[in-house]
Amino acid sequence: GESVGLHLPTLSVQGGDNSIINCAYSNSASDYFIWYKQESGKGPQFIIDIRSNMDKRQGQRVTVLLNKTVKHLSLQIAATQPGDSAVYFCAENSGGSNYKLTFGKGTLLTVNP
Amino acid sequence: TAGITQAPTSQILAAGRSMTLRCTQDMRHNAMYWYRQDLGLGLRLIHYSNTAGTTGKGEVPDGYSVSRANTDDFPLTLASAVPSQTSVYFCAAGSGHTDTQYFGPGTRLTVL
Repeated sequence: GESVGLHLPTLSVQGGDNSIINCAYSNSASDYFIWYKQESGKGPQFIIDIRSNMDKRQGQRVTVLLNKTVKHLSLQIAATQPGDSAVYFCAENSGGSNYKLTFGKGTLLTVNP
Repeated sequence: TAGITQAPTSQILAAGRSMTLRCTQDMRHNAMYWYRQDLGLGLRLIHYSNTAGTTGKGEVPDGYSVSRANTDDFPLTLASAVPSQTSVYFCAAGSGHTDTQYFGPGTRLTVL
């Protein structure tokens, strides 16, 4: 998994398997978290978000889990498809009026057909 | 739907020249941002604007300037480009209520 500030890790899975991408954040004051997907040559695409008053949120084939005790965020992708191959990174908002996000460096997910 | 558009898509620029990267949104978000993305360094905030008429410095503002004359446009200007400004530049816009930021397709800039 990734951590804000570390090198880009990679994850390789077989098509149809579930994928879990991890992210550790450092700011205990962060109250909003986002997962982005970035395909090669494209801009980051919003996938799913979660607020700190929740510990789980589900979308279409994706689930985000938040563990505030250990400051850990994960993205689960069900039945991973080749089209899911991309860099995934988390972002955290530590609050305040500037709406600024801190981004992790990302995890490269490769889905083998 | 357009969302956020950026221009140009890519550009090769001679060192010392000036250039403006354009960004336009049609989502009417209050906040807009400029990031650069470099291999191994992730997304780094250059400048931001919480609302039209205001701007602020991000993590790496040196060598860049911005303006926010209206809600929709947020141009980024390099007054005198240097090779270290070679990067992919992303513009983003966000709603202060949800804090989500939506990104444009990016501009790939090479400074020689």
